[in-house]
Amino acid sequence: GAVVSQHPSRVICKSGTSVKIECRSLDFQATTMFWYRQFPKQSLMLMATSNEGSKATYEQGVEKDKFLINHASLTLSTLTVTSAHPEDSSFYICSAPGLAWYNEQFFGPGTRLTVL
Amino acid sequence: AQKITQTQPGMFVQEKEAVTLDCTYDTSDPSYGLFWYKQPSSGEMIFLIYQGSYDQQNATEGRYSLNFQKARKSANLVISASQLGDSAMYFCAMRDIASAGGTSYGKLTFGQGTILTVHP
Repeated sequence: GAVVSQHPSRVICKSGTSVKIECRSLDFQATTMFWYRQFPKQSLMLMATSNEGSKATYEQGVEKDKFLINHASLTLSTLTVTSAHPEDSSFYICSAPGLAWYNEQFFGPGTRLTVL
Repeated sequence: AQKITQTQPGMFVQEKEAVTLDCTYDTSDPSYGLFWYKQPSSGEMIFLIYQGSYDQQNATEGRYSLNFQKARKSANLVISASQLGDSAMYFCAMRDIASAGGTSYGKLTFGQGTILTVHP
């Protein structure tokens, strides 16, 4: 299957700082990537759909200015959590869809963000 | 309205026994796909099995099988011969035309998840 990497895997930052998370498709090109947020023992919540060469599509209730998404190339999407606060502490996962209808989404390993 | 429902927050099973994880879904689209993922404590999402709405037979992948009952809109995951390494959170997910936004592929809608614990 296709490989998606995420960096960093863990990050601890102070309140008020910004954190950038990178999501890369290693062996395929992804015009679309999805960003999810997950709290402990809860489901994945889709935050936004990242589209190469155009603006991201955010889900209802997700602050666009808070969670900046950039899809700079066909292999890289970034999520920047701006002015992070403790309530932003969460597990963030990116994924890329397969080419065919029956293909699964290919997930990155996730980034655990802790804001102090 | 909830499109994917997993009613079992937690399940316990004895090692080597079989276990069924429930999943019901709701869609008016005739074409849709159902997926099961496993998420161990490390957080990675591991794809297990896929069932298409037009598939005539239930999907199977090794120890995993999907009990697909279209009329009941259920897609339960059956894990046979449970192993300690099966302890994880399991998610049922669906892709349909509505969520695809008109494209041939699109976002998945996930259920709430079921935490499976396998006892030795």
